[in-house]
Amino acid sequence: EVQLVESGGGLVQPGGSLRLSCAASGFIFSNYWMSWVRQAPGRGLEWVANIKQDGSERYYVDSVEGRFTISRDNAKNSLYLQMNSLRAEDTAVYYCARDLRKEGISFDYWGQGTLATVSS
Amino acid sequence: SYVLTQSPSVSVAPGQTARITCGGNKIGSKSVHWYRQRPGQAPVLVVYDDSDRHSGIPERFSGSNSGNTATLTISRVEAGDEADYYCQVWERSSDPVVFGGGTKLTVL
Repeated sequence: EVQLVESGGGLVQPGGSLRLSCAASGFIFSNYWMSWVRQAPGRGLEWVANIKQDGSERYYVDSVEGRFTISRDNAKNSLYLQMNSLRAEDTAVYYCARDLRKEGISFDYWGQGTLATVSS
Repeated sequence: SYVLTQSPSVSVAPGQTARITCGGNKIGSKSVHWYRQRPGQAPVLVVYDDSDRHSGIPERFSGSNSGNTATLTISRVEAGDEADYYCQVWERSSDPVVFGGGTKLTVL
């Protein structure tokens, strides 16, 4: 059974940092692109970043470029999101998701999410 | 950047058919994916690549895509189908993954 379990959320002041983690199990983690998707309270879904199987390619939504860094450790079956210079508008539940790449790119498994709150 | 437009809400009686649409410029030329999100839960992939059902999704769920509109059709709607539904495409641009704003399905 595919499982994705996020951790690391919490309350942080504007300008601060958080590091989110996602522990993967039930599949060969190193075979898949992985993504982070977020959802602000009461709002829709927003893709944040993704990373290739070996970490050689990484892509970000414009609004986090230069502030967030996605990374992975295939030996630990783990995905990370380092979030720096946080803003109030970064407040959201952050989901770890596995990429499904067929004709297009979708997300076939999601974690339960971890809430990051940016507030003074 | 590419924009996907969904109606905010759709209401349907149990046993009837719900159609949730996703509009976008020439969306028929793209692969469209659909997610269901029940309150307080993570999204679940329902349909990918326009019309392929994800594992465990009942045959009552089907998808189509043509012209400027993609549609998720839910036949014989049940109370458990009540949720927010999001469409999504991948686009070759600076923000490659685009989600629609979501449609709240209410089962009357």
